[in-house]
Amino acid sequence: AQSVAQPEDQVNVAEGNPLTVKCTYSVSGNPYLFWYVQYPNRGLQFLLKYITGDNLVKGSYGFEAEFNKSQTSFHLKKPSALVSDSALYFCAVRDGDHDYKLSFGAGTTVTVRA
Amino acid sequence: DAGITQSPRYKITETGRQVTLMCHQTWSHSYMFWYRQDLGHGLRLIYYSAAADITDKGEVPDGYVVSRSKTENFPLTLESATRSQTSVYFCASSTGFSSYEQYFGPGTRLTVT
Repeated sequence: AQSVAQPEDQVNVAEGNPLTVKCTYSVSGNPYLFWYVQYPNRGLQFLLKYITGDNLVKGSYGFEAEFNKSQTSFHLKKPSALVSDSALYFCAVRDGDHDYKLSFGAGTTVTVRA
Repeated sequence: DAGITQSPRYKITETGRQVTLMCHQTWSHSYMFWYRQDLGHGLRLIYYSAAADITDKGEVPDGYVVSRSKTENFPLTLESATRSQTSVYFCASSTGFSSYEQYFGPGTRLTVT
């Protein structure tokens, strides 16, 4: 079984401030981790993924995420948030050893105020 | 580059009616998926397919039927729609197993009255 928890329903930050969206996961095999973003009335867009290698992963639009195996976390970060980053963010996990199905968290709504 | 498309984008139907949501991808991806998105639940997997004529149940398959006669198409049918199936439905595709990300269509907003 695999699951994802996004402990914050909403994150509010001021433009220019650092942005962090939290994600913890549970998986029996090797974790493959993904972040997606959804803008209003749109499908999900892929941001970044961790499969193996460097624990710090860089992705689209200046986002990065840090894989922490001991804490089973994969938090999404951006050093300086933009108003245009306001969206719904989803973390997802796959058991890389056994399955290709993704399990998604419930999502975190990010609001960046000008 | 059309990518992955869904039709219709919006649909209103009555309880008990059959409705089919279409999904088409132009990448020749092997894997395709159907999700539903509901507030507080994130995305939940309904059905998935590893190739033409190979489909399998996901987390919430009851009340849904899928088929995949061609690689590029993956229709989802609600055999007898219920109000609990009011949701936004997303189709996704992936080039392969293992480390590949999924690419999502724009979604279909379905309302069952």
